[in-house]
Amino acid sequence: DAEITQSPRHKITETGRQVTLACHQTWNHNNMFWYRQDLGHGLRLIHYSYGVQDTNKGEVSDGYSVSRSNTEDLPLTLESAASSQTSVYFCASSDRSGGAADTQYFGPGTRLTVL
Amino acid sequence: SQKIEQNSEALNIQEGKTATLTCNYTNYSPAYLQWYRQDPGRGPVFLLLIRENEKEKRKERLKVTFDTTLKQSLFHITASQPADSATYLCALGDGGGFKTIFGAGTRLFVKA
Repeated sequence: DAEITQSPRHKITETGRQVTLACHQTWNHNNMFWYRQDLGHGLRLIHYSYGVQDTNKGEVSDGYSVSRSNTEDLPLTLESAASSQTSVYFCASSDRSGGAADTQYFGPGTRLTVL
Repeated sequence: SQKIEQNSEALNIQEGKTATLTCNYTNYSPAYLQWYRQDPGRGPVFLLLIRENEKEKRKERLKVTFDTTLKQSLFHITASQPADSATYLCALGDGGGFKTIFGAGTRLFVKA
């Protein structure tokens, strides 16, 4: 069955370190997204990609970067981790095209703690 | 700015009753609205979608209404069960771009 996976599931790091969160989907979806989820906030969009070599900034992109070299993967990099980036991170994918609605399939999440 | 509001307080109901969750939005004209379910420690899972030209959509024990005049959606779970206990997220999408915006969710507890 097609799926979307994230790794690691839990990560503890120190302020200033570079961290990369992996996201891999086997749906063959063109669109991929990274969100963060914090208590009291909805899912907030960090970066998104409509296809290979395409990346776009979302609502809360400062301090994060992504690259899309193939259809399956969209790794999220925190260049220099800050305590404010402690959160749960979700990757999602969708196959929206034309006038279709953007129904998203989510990974299980990565809980990141920055000390 | 675009804003989605869902009840931040948890909803507690008795098994067998109908649960009704509310989603209100401002400064947005969505082409469609979605509801997702999220269990603790897991990612959201899509449940239902309703488009701007639809008033009501049903799926098994779930019913969604969409009032674009009131800028509100209601999500109903009939004959609720303890297994329905979860957080339910409302999400809005436009007809042009690919970005979906999510509400913070409402936690539902169904007591046996």
